[in-house]
Amino acid sequence: NAGVTQTPKFQVLKTGQSMTLQCAQDMNHEYMSWYRQDPGMGLRLIHYSVGAGITDQGEVPNGYNVSRSTTEDFPLRLLSAAPSQTSVYFCASRTDRGGSPLHFGNGTRLTVT
Amino acid sequence: AQSVTQPDIHITVSEGASLELRCNYSYGATPYLFWYVQSPGQGLQLLLKYFSGDTLVQGIKGFEAEFKRSQSSFNLRKPSVHWSDAAEYFCAVALEYGNKLVFGAGTILRVKS
Repeated sequence: NAGVTQTPKFQVLKTGQSMTLQCAQDMNHEYMSWYRQDPGMGLRLIHYSVGAGITDQGEVPNGYNVSRSTTEDFPLRLLSAAPSQTSVYFCASRTDRGGSPLHFGNGTRLTVT
Repeated sequence: AQSVTQPDIHITVSEGASLELRCNYSYGATPYLFWYVQSPGQGLQLLLKYFSGDTLVQGIKGFEAEFKRSQSSFNLRKPSVHWSDAAEYFCAVALEYGNKLVFGAGTILRVKS
């Protein structure tokens, strides 16, 4: 049982480049989300989805796009990377019960130069 | 503003000593409350959660937490710390029917032998 799988594990981008962080889960979870983790700031919600075709913004959505065409996948797109987007990104999923715990991937460490 | 506060950035305890990690939140209603743990290079793992009922909740790895409404606190405790407990600990609050999780900045626990 793979759980939540994130790829790549590490990525270096130049300012202005675009890329997609991949996230897949095999638990049939309706809810999926993206967080970024920065030192001293904990994790901050970027975008989330409560099911295929439904997405919404979190606390820090600017500079990021998401889509949810299937239950399993929830990619995060950076359209024009900026140094301020250097961070560790986590994807997480859970069942559709509001208080159920999040299952996290192992993260993607992104550096933008 | 709504927030989750973990006042201690770092805590060092001796192996076998007791531990208490503090968490305060500022929300009008009683939200869902969580404690997660993160080992280096890993995603977050749920330790325990509080929704309602008994204010003392038990979690995995011998951890417990007590919800105190009057103090808006949800402190994490362990009676005897093991070297393997060294990690970063995050308190979190779920808002909007659980769709948005707000994390504290985290507390890094060091265990000395």
